[in-house]
Amino acid sequence: DQQVKQNSPSLSVQEGRISILNCDYTNSMFDYFLWYKKYPAEGPTFLISISSIKDKNEDGRFTVFLNKSAKHLSLHIVPSQPGDSAVYFCAALSNFGNEKLTFGTGTRLTIIP
Amino acid sequence: ETGVTQTPRHLVMGMTNKKSLKCEQHLGHNAMYWYKQSAKKPLELMFVYSLEERVENNSVPSRFSPECPNSSHLFLHLHTLQPEDSALYLCASSQASGPNTGELFFGEGSRLTVL
Repeated sequence: DQQVKQNSPSLSVQEGRISILNCDYTNSMFDYFLWYKKYPAEGPTFLISISSIKDKNEDGRFTVFLNKSAKHLSLHIVPSQPGDSAVYFCAALSNFGNEKLTFGTGTRLTIIP
Repeated sequence: ETGVTQTPRHLVMGMTNKKSLKCEQHLGHNAMYWYKQSAKKPLELMFVYSLEERVENNSVPSRFSPECPNSSHLFLHLHTLQPEDSALYLCASSQASGPNTGELFFGEGSRLTVL
């Protein structure tokens, strides 16, 4: 059973508009949530994270929102740029127990110039 | 030099071959990981080494054998693999000490094809 779900395999957004990537989780014990970005032929790179005690974290054009009651987080990119075209993975970490990251299946974001 | 380097980038092998994947990190981290990425599946954790000791073996078949000779190097030895083992194998590192925030540094991956 997948504990971290990204239900949209792909998303296309016009350049300059807002991109919103969504992620749902089932385990209420997760302590941190992270977003990784992956270009073709490269490994994933860490983008932004949020602690479970917060509901928002902002870093430049990237903002992550956490809604614990809904077990939902989202990544907002604004304004979207062509270089943002990549696969975005949502991940979650529980520091109780085995402390391993659980990843979603990824969402391919395409920014249309 | 990039932080985490994996070789080879591409590998094609038959089911009876023996090969190895290599990972090297230049970040001074003391935890290293092997992940498997198959199409349309989440990244799957295979092995974790912390301070050169294996701390996680995520029910991986014995045809995959990891080796961590020191904190900078990690190997994945492969033998008698199956075609369904074809995937992208990603190495990652992190700082094991201090609060765990989940930030991993990944290599570019080794694309394995088993014929």
